[in-house]
Amino acid sequence: AQRVTQPEKLLSVFKGAPVELKCNYSYSGSPELFWYVQYSRQRLQLLLRHISRESIKGFTADLNKGETSFHLKKPFAQEEDSAMYYCALGSFGNEKLTFGTGTRLTIIP
Amino acid sequence: GAVVSQHPSWVICKSGTSVKIECRSLDFQATTMFWYRQFPKQSLMLMATSNEGSKATYEQGVEKDKFLINHASLTLSTLTVTSAHPEDSSFYICSAPGARRAFFGQGTRLTVV
Repeated sequence: AQRVTQPEKLLSVFKGAPVELKCNYSYSGSPELFWYVQYSRQRLQLLLRHISRESIKGFTADLNKGETSFHLKKPFAQEEDSAMYYCALGSFGNEKLTFGTGTRLTIIP
Repeated sequence: GAVVSQHPSWVICKSGTSVKIECRSLDFQATTMFWYRQFPKQSLMLMATSNEGSKATYEQGVEKDKFLINHASLTLSTLTVTSAHPEDSSFYICSAPGARRAFFGQGTRLTVV
């Protein structure tokens, strides 16, 4: 069965400090991992996906298959990063997503 | 970029009535759409996969007679909550896959009184 765990429901970080949002997954197949973000009063939108190995808005995430993790990191938090972040698990060839419970990130000015 | 429009954004209905929620892909075709449900402070839970021109596929524990899904065209899927009860009050979100990502509607807040 697919499962995504985001252990932190709430995370507060000072502006300029590093940010790390944790995500662990459980899946027996070949996983495809995503981070989705929901800013206040906006819809869910893709932030980044592991297969692209990209940095979006200063965020990066590395898939660690040994630790079954896909933590989201940013070296210097900005106020506009305050949002709800969801880690999601899919699989190649299957467009269904399993979501974690989300982490609400608050950047303290 | 691709846009998914969901309507209505919120709805209040009386217990026992039915409510229809629409999900449209505005500038792309979607043979598949997904319907999620989100309870307060909980994750999005996949309810069903809507398939254009064929029956929807429901996740375990989701009543197909309660949550009717119709995907009559390549740009429209509808979710009808039949004989709604207060426990059906929730946030319903649709999504359509495209270019190795999911595009989400803005969600519908359903309150059954």
